[in-house]
Amino acid sequence: DIMMTQSPLSVAVTPGESASISCRSSKSLLHSNGITYLSWYLQRPEKSPQLLIYQISNLASGVSGRFSGSGSGTDFTLKISRVETEDVGIYYCVQFLEVPWTFGGGTKLELK
Amino acid sequence: QVQLQQSGAELVKPGTSVKLSCKASGYTFTSNHMNWIKQTTGQGLEWIGIINPGSGGTSYNVKFKGKATLTVDKSSSTAFMQLSSLTPEDSAVYYCARGGSSLFDYWGQGVMVTVSS
Repeated sequence: DIMMTQSPLSVAVTPGESASISCRSSKSLLHSNGITYLSWYLQRPEKSPQLLIYQISNLASGVSGRFSGSGSGTDFTLKISRVETEDVGIYYCVQFLEVPWTFGGGTKLELK
Repeated sequence: QVQLQQSGAELVKPGTSVKLSCKASGYTFTSNHMNWIKQTTGQGLEWIGIINPGSGGTSYNVKFKGKATLTVDKSSSTAFMQLSSLTPEDSAVYYCARGGSSLFDYWGQGVMVTVSS
């Protein structure tokens, strides 16, 4: 199975500042079709995960433009600009290159 | 609007089975695959498997083969997951989530299953 490793485990951010979360896969997520199958999710407290970004950098419908994704191959980053209260929760990366699709362990974002 | 409404919490005894449901609305049920995902504090999020509601075709995480069985009822736009031979390690929150191939775009609210004698 492809292993997904996130860092840091937790991050505390002052509202209005930016935060970055890293995700590394044990195998390149670039498919021969040219698509890289990496997506990001946010699970707010007591809620279900919600899709933020897919295929590295495509913003899901209705998601704030303060979220952006970047990276390639095995190294990926989620950036949250101008952090707000509603951004608190656990962020997960997920690979869809091969089944079983696998999740990172999560990064908890808290406010200072 | 797309909604996935899952059944209520379950308290079940070891060795028994439980069948969870996920009723879809707001879209054409047979046009999108449905996934099931397990969440525990210890193991985090794990993908269990996927079903094509149109054909009934399934694909499972090897780890959950023999444990989970995915089915659908097209007439009621409902997906089901049966978990068998339950042990305390099956205690978790289970989500249904629409999508596959590169994303899970809509999630159910989750259902907590507790396996205890």
